[in-house]
Amino acid sequence: NAGVMQNPRHLVRRRGQEARLRCSPMKGHSHVYWYRQLPEEGLKFMVYLQKENIIDESGMPKERFSAEFPKEGPSILRIQQVVRGDSAAYFCASSPATSGKLFFGEGSRLTVL
Amino acid sequence: QKEVEQDPGPLSVPEGAIVSLNCTYSNSAFQYFMWYRQYSRKGPELLMYTYSSGNKEDGRFTAQVDKSSKYISLFIRDSQPSDSATYLCAMSEDDSNYQLIWGAGTKLIIKP
Repeated sequence: NAGVMQNPRHLVRRRGQEARLRCSPMKGHSHVYWYRQLPEEGLKFMVYLQKENIIDESGMPKERFSAEFPKEGPSILRIQQVVRGDSAAYFCASSPATSGKLFFGEGSRLTVL
Repeated sequence: QKEVEQDPGPLSVPEGAIVSLNCTYSNSAFQYFMWYRQYSRKGPELLMYTYSSGNKEDGRFTAQVDKSSKYISLFIRDSQPSDSATYLCAMSEDDSNYQLIWGAGTKLIIKP
């Protein structure tokens, strides 16, 4: 049973470009969460999605960031017009329900030049 | 002041030692407490999950919650080099996953 799959694992973008990060949850999981992790800092919640619905995006910056979890296919975290401060590790997690164990992917590391 | 405080370390101990990792918090409404282990360049993995105060044991790991002191601990007995990782505490008021508040993590190094 494959775990949470994230790609790309590493992404380099120049300032002003777009970054798209993808997350396929574990089989049978319909709840997806995105987190950002900066060096020496804890995980910061960004957004919580279920299929075709954004449940809570209170942790996501109002501008340039968006997320979706379509009926078919992976969840996408999209960052438009990236800036150096967007450089971080972005983790996706999934769960079979609102509560219970979170399963994390290995993360996507974004570097903005 | 951060809502959850965790000493970043690194904490370096010899193999076989008992390790104590700690978090303090300020929100007295937290009731659900978790410890995650994160190896370098990997995602966090849940180790222990406790509700309210008390102890929970799982193999070499013991999680302890003291709500009166707003203090949680993770003890690792007979530590192994494979325990070398960053340990993150996380907590929430209810059992909703996305309401978790995370500590910054303590880097643990077990020397052979």
